[in-house]
Amino acid sequence: DTGVSQDPRHKITKRGQNVTFRCDPISEHNRLYWYRQTLGQGPEFLTYFQNEAQLEKSRLLSDRFSAERPKGSFSTLEIQRTEQGDSAMYLCASSLWPAPGPRNTEAFFGQGTRLTVV
Amino acid sequence: DAKTTQPPSMDCAEGRAANLPCNHSTISGNEYVYWYRQIHSQGPQYIIHGLKNNETNEMASLIITEDRKSSTLILPHATLRDTAVYYCIVSQTAGTYKYIFGTGTRLKVLA
Repeated sequence: DTGVSQDPRHKITKRGQNVTFRCDPISEHNRLYWYRQTLGQGPEFLTYFQNEAQLEKSRLLSDRFSAERPKGSFSTLEIQRTEQGDSAMYLCASSLWPAPGPRNTEAFFGQGTRLTVV
Repeated sequence: DAKTTQPPSMDCAEGRAANLPCNHSTISGNEYVYWYRQIHSQGPQYIIHGLKNNETNEMASLIITEDRKSSTLILPHATLRDTAVYYCIVSQTAGTYKYIFGTGTRLKVLA
């Protein structure tokens, strides 16, 4: 297993365009998380899935953002009508829940997709 | 989840131990302390976590005070590749991984 994979790694788009990012979690992980990170700040939670169910969404996730995990495996994050303020690194993480033991509870992060809106 | 406070930056000489402190005075009894680090332009990498006992793995040691209000991450022999931003997070391990990241400590290992 190569870990959490995100595609693309970089995306430049014009303001007003729609963009979609993909995340492939570690294969046996049933939980998947999306975070956003702006320059100089720590990652901020956006939303998470358990299998295909989206269980929580942050207030940061405006109605222009939508995330899906249709078959409980990979996930997509779409941003409609992008704005310059959407420029950030979008991180995906996955974990197994319940964890098999107290030492296997961590979440694993992907390398992120860096979005630049011009 | 409880909030954490970390110094914004620290330097450490290569080969020496790096001791990174974290304050989490509002931690509750069922909350764990997690440490992650983020090397430039990469995703956060898990380092270690603990509840109340000290923990050690191949990467680091975690020392948690008896009152659990603070902790220290120890990198025993820092190398240049340990230069990164280190995040201390308090989270319920049995719940979501809706981590609340602060701004972390930027550790610079000097040759």
